[in-house]
Amino acid sequence: GENVEQHPSTLSVQEGDSAVIKCTYSDSASNYFPWYKQELGKRPQLIIDIRSNVGEKKDQRIAVTLNKTAKHFSLHITETQPEDSAVYFCAASRFTGGGNKLTFGTGTQLKVEL
Amino acid sequence: GAVVSQHPSRVICKSGTSVKIECRSLDFQATTMFWYRQFPKKSLMLMATSNEGSKATYEQGVEKDKFLINHASLTLSTLTVTSAHPEDSSFYICSARGSSEQYFGPGTRLTVT
Repeated sequence: GENVEQHPSTLSVQEGDSAVIKCTYSDSASNYFPWYKQELGKRPQLIIDIRSNVGEKKDQRIAVTLNKTAKHFSLHITETQPEDSAVYFCAASRFTGGGNKLTFGTGTQLKVEL
Repeated sequence: GAVVSQHPSRVICKSGTSVKIECRSLDFQATTMFWYRQFPKKSLMLMATSNEGSKATYEQGVEKDKFLINHASLTLSTLTVTSAHPEDSSFYICSARGSSEQYFGPGTRLTVT
């Protein structure tokens, strides 16, 4: 099955700096890579996703890059703000149009300091 | 975005009793729902895939007789933790798949005393 590794487990940045979180996956058939933000005690919220037919996707301060050859993808947050502090999870799945299951990374605790 | 509700949000039960958790997709139909378990400061661990009108598919190591899943309609899946023990205490989250992405419920905090 799929195995997703995520680094770092914790990340502390100064407000305004950029934050980068990296994930690798093992299943070359995976073609859908979402990123979720989870605040303490809350549900995971999808913040951005990318499919394997593109190499990069951007949405305001958030961007995701995908390297299919190396089987890794990264989340980039620019101009970080205190409200960006949360746990971020990457995930991978085979998007088949049916009930594809997500395999999650281990999470990154991001702390944005003033 | 789509809305998924979960009930109850918190439940405390005694060892040996059973607890039912409901997961509803409020504004869309979901033929497939997923049940996850999350330990403090840990990732989401998929327990099972719930398919409407058929048996759930359990992940390796998850006891199907202990974690009963019923997907009675296109908007409702239930997870019943039977004969609960303290080690079953955890945060249980469901998700429902819409047209492309998965939407998560708010989770249920189960405490078994």
